[in-house]
Amino acid sequence: DIQMTQSPSFLFAFVGDRVTITCRASQNIHNYLNWYQQKSGTAPKLLVYGASSLQRGVPSRFSGSGSGTDFTLTISSLQPGDFATYYCQESYINPYTFGGGTKVEIE
Amino acid sequence: QVQLQESGPGLVKPSQTLSLTCSVSGDSISSGDYYWSWIRQPPGKGLEWIGYIHNSGNTDHNASLQSRVIISVETSKNQFSLKLVSVTAADTALYFCARGPNYSDTGDYPRDALDFWGQGTMVTVSS
Repeated sequence: DIQMTQSPSFLFAFVGDRVTITCRASQNIHNYLNWYQQKSGTAPKLLVYGASSLQRGVPSRFSGSGSGTDFTLTISSLQPGDFATYYCQESYINPYTFGGGTKVEIE
Repeated sequence: QVQLQESGPGLVKPSQTLSLTCSVSGDSISSGDYYWSWIRQPPGKGLEWIGYIHNSGNTDHNASLQSRVIISVETSKNQFSLKLVSVTAADTALYFCARGPNYSDTGDYPRDALDFWGQGTMVTVSS
């Protein structure tokens, strides 16, 4: 199975900060990488698919980049509603592994 | 707007079968455009993809669940279901259903995201 490693696991930031979360795949997954936001046990929300395509309705302060094995999710100016846990997911092959998550908390 | 809603017992005894149903509105499973997935999240932990089904009956699942997974579809009700047999405490989790990945009638491997999710239903395995 492909392993997905996210860093950091926890991130403390202020409103207005630029935040970057990284995700590394254990093998080449091309651009089959998705990012989700989850708030307190509610349903995850798709933010970015195909490594860099913004899902409809997602604010433009979110952006994704990368290909192959290394990917990033960037929030250009953190807003109060962005404090949540973020997960990457490879959709290259079964079992479509998720990363361990990055919890973004208020500094 | 596509909406999904999970339903089923919140408590299952060890060694028994967990059974959940996902009701879909705002899209038709019988359109054949998507696979329909199950995902779970143990308390305080991350997400694990369980498996998916297409209206054609084509299914796949996470091998880590050692073939305990049965996923079925009932297009007349626009629902799909999950059965997990021989459950243990390790199967205690928040279970989600979701739309995706996309289906390709050219036979391409499904490689798309899960774009709409249900709110999740908590299932506890305990005697």
